[in-house]
Amino acid sequence: GAVVSQHPSRVICKSGTSVKIECRSLDFQATTMFWYRQFPKQSLMLMATSNEGSKATYEQGVEKDKFLINHASLTLSTLTVTSAHPEDSSFYICSARTRGQKNTEAFFGQGTRLTVV
Amino acid sequence: AQKITQTQPGMFVQEKEAVTLDCTYDTSDPSYGLFWYKQPSSGEMIFLIYQGSYDQQNATEGRYSLNFQKARKSANLVISASQLGDSAMYFCAMREGGAGGTSYGKLTFGQGTILTVHP
Repeated sequence: GAVVSQHPSRVICKSGTSVKIECRSLDFQATTMFWYRQFPKQSLMLMATSNEGSKATYEQGVEKDKFLINHASLTLSTLTVTSAHPEDSSFYICSARTRGQKNTEAFFGQGTRLTVV
Repeated sequence: AQKITQTQPGMFVQEKEAVTLDCTYDTSDPSYGLFWYKQPSSGEMIFLIYQGSYDQQNATEGRYSLNFQKARKSANLVISASQLGDSAMYFCAMREGGAGGTSYGKLTFGQGTILTVHP
């Protein structure tokens, strides 16, 4: 299957700082990327849908000014957690798809475990 | 209302036995897809199996099979001959809508079931 690489896998940052998470499609062009958030032992909750070259669509309750998403190229989407606080500590994971892709699976990155201290 | 419901927070199974993980869904869209993913402690999402709403036969992938009962809106995962490495969190997920559209591929996940395989 297609490969989606997410970086970093783990990050610890101080409260008030910003953290950038990258999601790359390595062997295909990702026209759409999805960003999910997962608290321990809970489900994945969609945060936003990112389409290359246009503004991201955020789910209800997700602060767009806090979670900045950029999908400037067909192989890279970034999620920046701005002014991070301890309650932002979570597991963030992206998935990607391409136009015309047979939709029998969504390709996920490895995830990023964010800890804000 | 929950779109995807997994009622088993945890399940235990003996090695080499079969286990069924339950999943029910709710949608009014005639076109949808159902997925099962395995998430080990490392966090990665491992795709297991897919069932399309128009598929006539139940999907199978090696030791995994999906018991698709459309009228009951259930899509249970059956793992045969359980192995110790099957211990993980399992998620059922649904994609609503057919091809096309910028959000095509967006998945809604159930709460997950933690499966523990005993030796």
